[in-house]
Amino acid sequence: EAQVTQNPRYLITVTGKKLTVTCSQNMNHEYMSWYRQDPGLGLRQIYYSMNVEVTDKGDVPEGYKVSRKEKRNFPLILESPSPNQTSLYFCASSRDRGQHTQYFGPGTRLTVL
Amino acid sequence: GESVGLHLPTLSVQEGDNSIINCAYSNSASDYFIWYKQESGKGPQFIIDIRSNMDKRQGQRVTVLLNKTVKHLSLQIAATQPGDSAVYFCAENIQGGSYIPTFGRGTSLIVHP
Repeated sequence: EAQVTQNPRYLITVTGKKLTVTCSQNMNHEYMSWYRQDPGLGLRQIYYSMNVEVTDKGDVPEGYKVSRKEKRNFPLILESPSPNQTSLYFCASSRDRGQHTQYFGPGTRLTVL
Repeated sequence: GESVGLHLPTLSVQEGDNSIINCAYSNSASDYFIWYKQESGKGPQFIIDIRSNMDKRQGQRVTVLLNKTVKHLSLQIAATQPGDSAVYFCAENIQGGSYIPTFGRGTSLIVHP
């Protein structure tokens, strides 16, 4: 089954404790991205990657890092989480950077205390 | 910056009625538009897309209309069912751009049996 998976689905952590949210897709997609979703603000892109070892900032990259060492994986790293990073995070992938639909993961609900 | 928005935050309809969800965009350079459906606790799911060289596109029970003159698109759902209850987002993109899509905040569709 074609899908995007994220782990963990729920995470409660404390300020400053480094964490990683994993994302994996099995569709051999070149393009992957991370979004955060906040009430009243909709989906905002954090980072995106157009292929292995190619990443770039989205609209709200501050406080986040990503890596793309393999085509299928695109982890999101919070080196020193802060309460304003409490949010719902979605990973997405698409065939390429062009006009193709994105497939979203199920989401990761992160709470930073 | 320019943004995509939605006219109505909540739309309530009776089962069997037709639903119309609207979206306004302000970036005249946008040439690709997508509608997503997000059910509670899940990631956004592609519904239908339309390119700027089209005015209308039909899918299964859904139709998207694009009016470039007034920068408006709409999603029409025929014979709305309780399973259609969700938040609906429009998103815009620019061909050849950096592929940082802009999402609307979403409209919550509530279908009453």
